[in-house]
Amino acid sequence: AQTVTQSQPEMSVQEAETVTLSCTYDTSESDYYLFWYKQPPSRQMILVIRQEAYKQQNATENRFSVNFQKAAKSFSLKISDSQLGDAAMYFCAYRSIGASGTYKYIFGTGTRLKVLA
Amino acid sequence: DAGVTQSPTHLIKTRGQHVTLRCSPISGHKSVSWYQQVLGQGPQFIFQYYEKEERGRGNFPDRFSARQFPNYSSELNVNALLLGDSALYLCASSTTGSNEKLFFGSGTQLSVL
Repeated sequence: AQTVTQSQPEMSVQEAETVTLSCTYDTSESDYYLFWYKQPPSRQMILVIRQEAYKQQNATENRFSVNFQKAAKSFSLKISDSQLGDAAMYFCAYRSIGASGTYKYIFGTGTRLKVLA
Repeated sequence: DAGVTQSPTHLIKTRGQHVTLRCSPISGHKSVSWYQQVLGQGPQFIFQYYEKEERGRGNFPDRFSARQFPNYSSELNVNALLLGDSALYLCASSTTGSNEKLFFGSGTQLSVL
């Protein structure tokens, strides 16, 4: 069975600085997807970034980028130029490729990010 | 376009009662999945429905059931409620295929007293 581990329950970053959130996972599959989701106080989960396991290039979305190390089963999220609006819970998630139309997401326990003004 | 909508937003029930939660997916999305998020934890997969058929089930007891309607909306039913069922229930919709992405609703906060 696949597992996702986020070992940092809480992180703090100064506004405009850079922070890295850690995520490790365990799987025997070779093809899969990895995601970072943000959950603000409104509790709606918002997709931040996605990485396909077969792609060696790390995904980037504006100020958000990942460091994907497939052999080490590590998937960290880097937030550059942190903004007050980045404060939220961040969840790492794993998804098998699955058959067409079928999938299951496995989420980590989350990291609470505080942004200090 | 409207996002994923869930109703009700909050619900209070007592032990042993039954509850029905509802979800309307984004227009064009044929897949709906349900997640339970207990306070302080990440979401846990309950069900996935695609084209009105169950395509996946997580490790939840048979008290949990769901269905998807012809318009792709979905209901999650929980019977014989327990205190431990208190949680945020999230619905997500998606298209399918290699480019699939989940879009979540704001959830239904269920409190069981």
